Amino acid sequence: NAGVTQTPKFQVLKTGQSMTLQCAQDMNHEYMSWYRQDPGMGLRLIHYSVGAGITDQGEVPNGYNVSRSTTEDFPLRLLSAAPSQTSVYFCASRQNYGYTFGSGTRLTVV
Amino acid sequence: KQEVTQIPAALSVPEGENLVLNCSFTDSAIYNLQWFRQDPGKGLTSLLLIQSSQREQTSGRLNASLDKSSGRSTLYIAASQPGDSATYLCAAVKTGANNLFFGTGTRLTVIP
Repeated sequence: NAGVTQTPKFQVLKTGQSMTLQCAQDMNHEYMSWYRQDPGMGLRLIHYSVGAGITDQGEVPNGYNVSRSTTEDFPLRLLSAAPSQTSVYFCASRQNYGYTFGSGTRLTVV
Repeated sequence: KQEVTQIPAALSVPEGENLVLNCSFTDSAIYNLQWFRQDPGKGLTSLLLIQSSQREQTSGRLNASLDKSSGRSTLYIAASQPGDSATYLCAAVKTGANNLFFGTGTRLTVIP
């Protein structure tokens, strides 16, 4: 099915480990973004991209890196995982005004 | 910074009842406002989008309204069904910004 695909669905990391959360979309959307969802805080924007080769920071970018080498893919990298990064991560793409969200990655950092 | 608030945090209603979910935002300079549905362990599904120049949007049993001057949006669900049970999120896009500002959601339970 067309949409936004996130992998993995679940991940447990030890403090200090690094990993990459994958996000791919097949709708040819130029805009892609990463959000984290924490209890009682709503979703907050981490990084976003308006097209291949263009990325920018959102509200909570510290500890995360992104790159956009193709229109389809927008990976999120955790350089040195911390317990504060325990969260559910959502990738979203946008065409005009409508957003399409992936099903999320639940990350636990111990 | 745009602050988005949703009240109540949780709501339980019997099947068939009409209900209203509330969303308020602090900055009236919004580009659009969107309502999403989130099922447990799932991603977000877009329900309705209201442009800043519009007052309301309708889709089936759902109707969303927007009042920029008062900083409020409401989502009206008619003839609620158990399948409507989910968390409903509203999100505002500020004019000139690229991100959605989300509320913390209203968890709706429709009792058969």
